[in-house]
Amino acid sequence: AQSVTQPDIHITVSEGASLELRCNYSYGATPYLFWYVQSPGQGLQLLLKYFSGDTLVQGIKGFEAEFKRSQSSFNLRKPSVHWSDAAEYFCAVGAGSGNTPLVFGKGTRLSVIA
Amino acid sequence: NAGVMQNPRHLVRRRGQEARLRCSPMKGHSHVYWYRQLPEEGLKFMVYLQKENIIDESGMPKERFSAEFPKEGPSILRIQQVVRGDSAAYFCASSLQVVSSYNEQFFGPGTRLTVL
Repeated sequence: AQSVTQPDIHITVSEGASLELRCNYSYGATPYLFWYVQSPGQGLQLLLKYFSGDTLVQGIKGFEAEFKRSQSSFNLRKPSVHWSDAAEYFCAVGAGSGNTPLVFGKGTRLSVIA
Repeated sequence: NAGVMQNPRHLVRRRGQEARLRCSPMKGHSHVYWYRQLPEEGLKFMVYLQKENIIDESGMPKERFSAEFPKEGPSILRIQQVVRGDSAAYFCASSLQVVSSYNEQFFGPGTRLTVL
């Protein structure tokens, strides 16, 4: 069965600094990978996804993520963080094809300080 | 095109009461998923339904929980005799059916259930 690990429970960065959120997955074949963002009391918004092809994917709000098969990782990055990026970030993996359910990591809470 | 709709957004129940959570998928989507998010946790899959069929309920507790997605109307997640441990945010997602690729799930805003 697939699993997702987000090693960092909480990260604090200064506004304007760069950001990297880590995500490691466990799955035997090529996974479908997703990053979602959740603001307090809100639902999930898709930031970006990886299905195949170029391993560096661009998303909304200036985020990008890189799929590294050798490390089973899909880390999320942003070169310059804005205060509005403070939220909870979830990495998720979908296995197989079609309509299988997503498996989520426990999330990383991002705080942004001035 | 409206997104996934869930109601109510907030629901308060006393222990032993029933909770009914509704989910209307995006237009044209025939697949619905329910996930539960406990405090300080990620989302955990509960059940996956197509119209009139339960496809995968491997994440659903064996007792007190049930789900349906009728031919007409929204999908319903029903929790009977709620207990304090059922307090959580319940998210619904919907997707198309496209055989050739993985189908992106679109999430609703969630229903936050509080059991007193």
